Amino acid sequence: GENVEQHPSTLSVQEGDSAVIKCTYSDSASNYFPWYKQELGKRPQLIIDIRSNVGEKKDQRIAVTLNKTAKHFSLHITETQPEDSAVYFCAANLRAGGTSYGKLTFGQGTILTVHP
Amino acid sequence: GAVVSQHPSRVICKSGTSVKIECRSLDFQATTMFWYRQFPKQSLMLMATSNEGSKATYEQGVEKDKFLINHASLTLSTLTVTSAHPEDSSFYICSARWGTEISLHFGNGTRLTVT
Repeated sequence: GENVEQHPSTLSVQEGDSAVIKCTYSDSASNYFPWYKQELGKRPQLIIDIRSNVGEKKDQRIAVTLNKTAKHFSLHITETQPEDSAVYFCAANLRAGGTSYGKLTFGQGTILTVHP
Repeated sequence: GAVVSQHPSRVICKSGTSVKIECRSLDFQATTMFWYRQFPKQSLMLMATSNEGSKATYEQGVEKDKFLINHASLTLSTLTVTSAHPEDSSFYICSARWGTEISLHFGNGTRLTVT
C-alpha cells in the first residue's frame, strides 16, 4: 500500500517567517496530494491540494510543489501568522479506480507553532 | 459546499457497552465513506472503507466484528464500537466523497471515552 512520510514533526517559526513541510510517498501511481490543517479537537480542513499533472499550485500565502520523479511534495506557507499554528497533515491517494477511489494515506503530521 | 454531519460529537460510555456513531452527508449522495481513528498527537489512521449497499472493507489490523460499519443509504453510514474498552478511547472521524470527485469531506469527529 501507499506509505507517506512527513517531516519535520514539529516546526517553530517567528511571525512573518516562512514555513516549509515536506512529504514523500511510495506509490508512483498516486495522483492526488492534499494538505490539511487540523486544530485541536477539530476535523481536518483542506487548505490546498495538487494533482499529479501539475508541478506547483499557489493560493495566497500557501503553495504546494510536487516532484513526481522524486515522489515528494511540499507545503510552503509565507508570511506566517499566529493563527497558522496548528497540526498540518499531508496525504496521498491510492491509485484511482475501484471501490477504494479517494482512499487517502496520511503523513504523521507537523505541529506548526508561529510565535508572535 | 458539501457538508458531512457526524454525531455525537462526544460520548462517554462504560467498558463493555456499545456505541454507535452516525455520519451523514447533508447535501450530496456519498458514494464512499471512510472511517478514520486518531489517537492523541497522532495521525489519522484509516479503519475501513464503506460503499453504499455493500460490505465495508477493513484495513489490516482492524477487527470487523468489533467495529461494525453499515452504509445502508447514500447519505448515511454508521460505525458501532461493540464491547468498548478503554483502549478504544479515541477520536473517530468519518469522511465522504461522491461520483468522480476525489476530494474528501470530513465530519466533525466523535471523541469517544470509555471508562
